[in-house]
Amino acid sequence: DAGVIQSPRHEVTEMGQEVTLRCKPISGHDYLFWYRQTMMRGLELLIYFNNNVPIDDSGMPEDRFSAKMPNASFSTLKIQPSEPRDSAVYFCASSLGLGAGIFYEQYFGPGTRLTVT
Amino acid sequence: ELKVEQNPLFLSMQEGKNYTIYCNYSTTSDRLYWYRQDPGKSLESLFVLLSNGAVKQEGRLMASLDTKARLSTLHITAAVHDLSATYFCAVDGSKLIFGTGTLLAVQP
Repeated sequence: DAGVIQSPRHEVTEMGQEVTLRCKPISGHDYLFWYRQTMMRGLELLIYFNNNVPIDDSGMPEDRFSAKMPNASFSTLKIQPSEPRDSAVYFCASSLGLGAGIFYEQYFGPGTRLTVT
Repeated sequence: ELKVEQNPLFLSMQEGKNYTIYCNYSTTSDRLYWYRQDPGKSLESLFVLLSNGAVKQEGRLMASLDTKARLSTLHITAAVHDLSATYFCAVDGSKLIFGTGTLLAVQP
């Protein structure tokens, strides 16, 4: 298995531009998670999906952030418009579910390093 | 709100020594995970602890979970340089909450 795949690996953009991050989870995993990692705030859960349905988006910082999962093998995280404070590493992770909202271990993708200038 | 605290935040140790990283959490949970992150890399799952008293070992690392004390430990035995990384615990409440991480530097 190729593991969780993310693209792009690096993104540099100017403030105000739209940024789209992409993720392909491990086949068969029914949970998908988007995280953001910064030095100041550590690793934060932004949103997670179960069977393509968003379950908890309480970590999404602002309306500028949106996430979709149109099918079981693809998800996007979009930032529009982007701001310098959005600069971070964004990780996608996937896992099997044990039922009743209990997750098994999450497998992380390589991350997308976003720099907004 | 679930809070997860790790200590120490930074640990410098010599090869061959033993040490323990502590992970405390604030609300009831019986599911805890340990991850490793190398600089500039992704997170790698080390251990999944799913019940009180669970103990898992892999090589020089051993993790345990005490749900009554709301405490997990990651014990390092006879450290080697290859163990240098940042170690995170994560507790499963209504969602996974990660600790601050412990940066481990093993000096030769």
